[in-house]
Amino acid sequence: NAGVTQTPKFQVLKTGQSMTLQCAQDMNHNSMYWYRQDPGMGLRLIYYSASEGTTDKGEVPNGYNVSRLNKREFSLRLESAAPSQTSVYFCASSEEWVNYEQYFGPGTRLTVT
Amino acid sequence: DAKTTQPNSMESNEEEPVHLPCNHSTISGTDYIHWYRQLPSQGPEYVIHGLTSNVNNRMASLAIAEDRKSSTLILHRATLRDAAVYYCILRGPNTDKLIFGTGTRLQVFP
Repeated sequence: NAGVTQTPKFQVLKTGQSMTLQCAQDMNHNSMYWYRQDPGMGLRLIYYSASEGTTDKGEVPNGYNVSRLNKREFSLRLESAAPSQTSVYFCASSEEWVNYEQYFGPGTRLTVT
Repeated sequence: DAKTTQPNSMESNEEEPVHLPCNHSTISGTDYIHWYRQLPSQGPEYVIHGLTSNVNNRMASLAIAEDRKSSTLILHRATLRDAAVYYCILRGPNTDKLIFGTGTRLQVFP
């Protein structure tokens, strides 16, 4: 099993450009999550999907949209990138949304200039 | 969400035990205590979790104080690979949200 995979690994955007971060998991998990991690900080939850067909806002959702394409895939879109969105983005999944361990992907390092 | 307090950093020598403390004085009766760690340039990985009783798994042990206001993650024999940031997280019974703090950076010396 590959676990949680994310693409791309690195990305540089200009202010105002848009992009979609892709995440897929092969563990048949129901729940998926997007976090961001700024330098020297812990992770902050952006959006999550408790199950296929549902999405909810996390702690820092402004400037982002998500799509739960199917059970395997959960994408994060930046419609108009801003320098404040420079961060490392992690996708995670868990078997269920209540008190199961989360498995994290390797991250996408995004720089917005 | 109840908060946790951890030391910013700790050091250990290889093959010695490491005790990583976490204070959570505002924990509610139904909050679980989770520990994750993040190795350099990687995503976090689950270590262990518990509610009231001490817990053991292949990676570590979790000792929970009787009043649940603090807990300690125990690595029985530190290796160089254990150098990471360790996060202590409280999680309610009906929530999937993990609220990360800044964690404890563990350095392991050969």
